[in-house]
Amino acid sequence: AQSVTQLGSHVSVSEGALVLLRCNYSSSVPPYLFWYVQYPNQGLQLLLKYTTGATLVKGINGFEAEFKKSETSFHLTKPSAHMSDAAEYFCAVWGGYQKVTFGTGTKLQVIP
Amino acid sequence: SQTIHQWPATLVQPVGSPLSLECTVEGTSNPNLYWYRQAAGRGLQLLFYSVGIGQISSEVPQNLSASRPQDRQFILSSKKLLLSDSGFYLCAWGTEGFSNQPQHFGDGTRLSIL
Repeated sequence: AQSVTQLGSHVSVSEGALVLLRCNYSSSVPPYLFWYVQYPNQGLQLLLKYTTGATLVKGINGFEAEFKKSETSFHLTKPSAHMSDAAEYFCAVWGGYQKVTFGTGTKLQVIP
Repeated sequence: SQTIHQWPATLVQPVGSPLSLECTVEGTSNPNLYWYRQAAGRGLQLLFYSVGIGQISSEVPQNLSASRPQDRQFILSSKKLLLSDSGFYLCAWGTEGFSNQPQHFGDGTRLSIL
């Protein structure tokens, strides 16, 4: 079985501040992990993914995430928030032959 | 380049009416295709996926159905819509074989049932 939990349905940060969006997963096999971003009234766009190898993954728009097996976490970070980062972010997990499971999303608000 | 088209962008339908949402993909062959429904605060729910023409797997029993008449065309249908069918419907495709990862999403259809 696999599942993903995103802590915090809403996160607010000031422009220029650190962005930290939390994701914890559960998987019975080594997982593939993903972060997607969704802007209003649009589909999802893949930000980054972890499959195997290096545990620190860099994605588009300056985002990165670190796979921590011991903590079953895959938190998304960005050193300095920009107004254009305001969107909803989804963490997702794939573990074996099951379909990708998405978290319930975290809406990021960037305050000027 | 690879693109995905989904239409209509918005749709308002009365309860009991039929539904047909269409999704087409360009720039790739034999993609895995997906229909998701997104409800506020509930993430994405996988409704159907297809690994080839005429091959449809249903994830959630409901009054919706899907068809794939051509390699890059995926259609979501209903004979009689329910109020609970309201939501944001997303089509997606992917090519990473066994990982079943949707890589690219359409811009979605916002369906409101009256």
